[in-house]
Amino acid sequence: GAVVSQHPSRVICKSGTSVKIECRSLDFQATTMFWYRQFPKQSLMLMATSNEGSKATYEQGVEKDKFLINHASLTLSTLTVTSAHPEDSSFYICSARAPGTSSYEQYFGPGTRLTVT
Amino acid sequence: GEDVEQSLFLSVREGDSSVINCTYTDSSSTYLYWYKQEPGAGLQLLTYIFSNMDMKQDQRLTVLLNKKDKHLSLRIADTQTGDSAIYFCAEKGAGYKLSFGAGTTVTVRA
Repeated sequence: GAVVSQHPSRVICKSGTSVKIECRSLDFQATTMFWYRQFPKQSLMLMATSNEGSKATYEQGVEKDKFLINHASLTLSTLTVTSAHPEDSSFYICSARAPGTSSYEQYFGPGTRLTVT
Repeated sequence: GEDVEQSLFLSVREGDSSVINCTYTDSSSTYLYWYKQEPGAGLQLLTYIFSNMDMKQDQRLTVLLNKKDKHLSLRIADTQTGDSAIYFCAEKGAGYKLSFGAGTTVTVRA
């Protein structure tokens, strides 16, 4: 089946630094990838939709200058949290959708736990 | 817009059936999903139902959809300890976006 990986799985960084999280589709090409954020014991909140070769579409309330998304190839999307602060600590999950597939097929990565100290 | 609600907790005895309920508001929804999340992990798609269906069964999982009441349920037959997890209901909106409920934490007790 379709596999999506994320790297790193856990990261701890100091306040003010930037962190990059990678999302890769391992055995399919993903024209669209989604980035979600999940707070402890809460649901997933969609942050942005990333389409290969074009600018990401951000959800209302998400700062695009803080959460930089790049989808440079059909198998890789990156989320960079710039000038991270403790309130950015969260579980970040990506998902990927392959072209030409049925509407239900969206595959999720295992998530990245970000802790900002 | 989409608004998905779920009860937060369910405790069930091993071997019994679990029923997780969800309500949604977007009448134009086409696909509705159930995902499972184990601790520290991503989401696993369990099953989905198209909005023109009333029921879908897949092994131990049965999904019921009441379009009139915008109510979706997931029944897990013969619940096992490995079924302990958080279960998310989600609906597909425009542009393949998914809106998730808060998640139901299912605890299976021996």
